[in-house]
Order: sequence, then structure tokens, then C-alpha cells
Amino acid sequence: RKEVEQDPGPFNVPEGATVAFNCTYSNSASQSFFWYRQDCRKEPKLLMSVYSSGNEDGRFTAQLNRASQYISLLIRDSKLSDSATYLCVADNPAGGYQKVTFGTGTKLQVIP
Amino acid sequence: EAQVTQNPRYLITVTGKKLTVTCSQNMNHEYMSWYRQDPGLGLRQIYYSMNVEVTDKGDVPEGYKVSRKEKRNFPLILESPSPNQTSLYFCASRVSGLASYNEQFFGPGTRLTVL
Repeated sequence: RKEVEQDPGPFNVPEGATVAFNCTYSNSASQSFFWYRQDCRKEPKLLMSVYSSGNEDGRFTAQLNRASQYISLLIRDSKLSDSATYLCVADNPAGGYQKVTFGTGTKLQVIP
Repeated sequence: EAQVTQNPRYLITVTGKKLTVTCSQNMNHEYMSWYRQDPGLGLRQIYYSMNVEVTDKGDVPEGYKVSRKEKRNFPLILESPSPNQTSLYFCASRVSGLASYNEQFFGPGTRLTVL
């Protein structure tokens, strides 16, 4: 079983739609969580951190459920520019440092 | 501008010809890391460095070497490249490898093809 699992998609949604991605993690010791965005053939960039209380940044909302070991990302009012791959990331303490584990990514295509 | 740079961005080489991919960051970050990204497998960590002269293996270290003689630089060395090392490589840095909730900054990537 992969440490961080995501539905690879692709998710094809019309402009203006709301779309949600889920991600599960297997290591219950994981401490911090992130969503990164990666455009085609480019480097990943931080979209948002995911805090226990849930957090929102404009059209984006991230949630963490520690009991069920999953995190989610909700995108409201999708824009064409949201088309990208979204990477779920979990940090867990391993041998004295924060080991970073990436999911394989969920591809989003927003259609006009 | 705060950034991570990698060179070269694209490289086509032949089996067995030693190569080095350079990585440099100007943010005074302690922690640096190398990843490879392959379709369906996502980002996998090759090596990481907690600080100068402190390096350790990640999940897929075979066939790679690294060094960290200066804080800003973290080169990736392929002593004898093989076709299965054809991949997209990313260097990344973060303030610290110890604290939680600190962002990783990635370089632009190096697309390597080994014939």
C-alpha cells in the first residue's frame, strides 16, 4: 500500500464547477500536510498547508481528518487556470527528521 | 529573488558516461533534497541533506551520489548512468528538515535521457 494515495483522475470539469479531491495517508504519525500544485512539466509549488482545524484560501478549502487519515481539497468556481496536477503531501517524523512523502497526484482539467 | 536553480535543464547522454546535475539555493536553507518523477510513480526521494556534510539515502538511492560541501549547493552525481535513470529530476530545499509545516521550494527540473 502506498503511504499517500490519491485518485489519479483525470477529473474533467466545466468552468465554474466545484471539485473535490481526497487523499489518504497510511502513517498515523504524520504531522503536517500540504497540497502542492504542479503544472505540466514544471516544478511543484505549494498551494496550501492543511491544518487540523481546516483552512481556506479564496476558492480553495483544505480539510484534515486525522481519525480517518485523509485530507481533502475543495476548489469552488473552477477556472481554466486551475488545470494542473494536485499533489497531496504528508510529513512524518522518521529517524529524527521530517520525511516528506508525495502522492502521485490528481490531474484536473477545467473545460470551457 | 529567492530560488532554487538546477543545471542543466535538459540532458541527453549515453550509458556509462558520468554526469553531474547541479543544484543551488539562495535562501540559506539547511535542508536539501533530490527527487525523481516518473509517470505513475510520482515524486520519489533519492537523497537528502540535513545540513553541510550531512547526507542520507532516500527511497531510491541506487546509482546516485550526492555531496554537500557548502550550504547552498547539493549536486547529484550519476557515476555510470543507465537507461532506467531516464527521468525528470527535481532539487528542493526547505528551511529545516526538523520542523513540521515548512514549505519545500523546488528547482525547475532537469529532464535526463540516458540512451
